[in-house]
Amino acid sequence: SQQGEEDPQALSIQEGENATMNCSYKTSINNLQWYRQNSGRGLVHLILIRSNEREKHSGRLRVTLDTSKKSSSLLITASRAADTASYFCATESTSYGKLTFGQGTILTVHP
Amino acid sequence: AAGVIQSPRHLIKEKRETATLKCYPIPRHDTVYWYQQGPGQDPQFLISFYEKMQSDKGSIPDRFSAQQFSDYHSELNMSSLELGDSALYFCASSPPGAGADTEAFFGQGTRLTVV
Repeated sequence: SQQGEEDPQALSIQEGENATMNCSYKTSINNLQWYRQNSGRGLVHLILIRSNEREKHSGRLRVTLDTSKKSSSLLITASRAADTASYFCATESTSYGKLTFGQGTILTVHP
Repeated sequence: AAGVIQSPRHLIKEKRETATLKCYPIPRHDTVYWYQQGPGQDPQFLISFYEKMQSDKGSIPDRFSAQQFSDYHSELNMSSLELGDSALYFCASSPPGAGADTEAFFGQGTRLTVV
């Protein structure tokens, strides 16, 4: 089974709305990272949150991490049509650098 | 800024053929990772190299092999290709001294189609 499981699998919203995606994992981690992928394209690193951090912001992105629940959320505020993509969480555990990805959330933002 | 370069970008092979995918990490990066992403799937870790030595291994079939060369570029060799090997193959690199909490930089991927 996957280390990172994401919820929802698909999310459809209107431009200007906020989008929240959740990720759960199973083992201890060094950090959790969020990636974006446009259809069939490369992975773009969005944000990294360390295991001793609880919240992190970057522009319109806000990430939270709850290590007691082994879960994380990614909030995209004031979404834009250009945010339409798949979003993956990935965890780095004891093996430095090796990432275990979740299933991904497909976000569609309608203009 | 230089990024991770993968070649070729697209590759079509027939079943039972062999494919070689190449990855050129960001200059001065010494660690390379390979991931496989099947259609509609999440990326799966295959293998990684640090300073030209294999550092970790994931769910990589025995038909696949990889190595990192003296110039730090890496090649993923895939033999006896199967239809199920059709996927997007990503390479990522990270800089020297990378311990925990170091971002890996991903290439654009090679799309392999086995027919």
